[in-house]
Amino acid sequence: GAVVSQHPSRVICKSGTSVKIECRSLDFQATTMFWYRQFPKQSLMLMATSNEGSKATYEQGVEKDKFLINHASLTLSTLTVTSAHPEDSSFYICSARENLRNEQYFGPGTRLTVT
Amino acid sequence: QKEVEQNSGPLSVPEGAIASLNCTYSDRVSQSFFWYRQYSGKSPELIMSIYSNGDKEDGRFTAQLNKASQYVSLLIRDSQPSDSATYLCAVLSSNTGKLIFGQGTTLQVKP
Repeated sequence: GAVVSQHPSRVICKSGTSVKIECRSLDFQATTMFWYRQFPKQSLMLMATSNEGSKATYEQGVEKDKFLINHASLTLSTLTVTSAHPEDSSFYICSARENLRNEQYFGPGTRLTVT
Repeated sequence: QKEVEQNSGPLSVPEGAIASLNCTYSDRVSQSFFWYRQYSGKSPELIMSIYSNGDKEDGRFTAQLNKASQYVSLLIRDSQPSDSATYLCAVLSSNTGKLIFGQGTTLQVKP
């Protein structure tokens, strides 16, 4: 299957700082990428849909000024958590859609801890 | 009615048995259906996609789709303890183009 990488895998930051997470599709081009968040023992929650070359579409309740998404190329999307707070601590997972068959592949995730 | 429904389980089967995981969905127009496996603390991994009515086999996995009944299932033959995970059914929404996930079924394969 197609491979999606995510970096970093783990990050600890102090409250008030910003953190950038990168998501790359390694062997396919992805016009559309997605960002999810998952709290322990809960379901995946879609945060936003990222389309190459255009603004991201955010799900209801997700602050677009806090979670900045950039999809600058067909293989790279970034999520920046700005002014992070302890309640932002979570498992952030990106996903990229392979254009031909609509299959969606997930990155390995980034575990964010805000102290 | 939830858009995608799965029994949360846990579903417990002995090693070597067939595990049967079921999913129903509400979007009659959907054309694309997926099964993901998620181990605890890890991200989901795509294991099967199915687009046409009938069965699709890949190794020990068989996905079954019945669009008339709005039902999709996953069979795991010769279940192994390493198959113990949460299995997520996902349907590509015809309306939004987004994947709609069920809440997942936890499978436990006992040695």
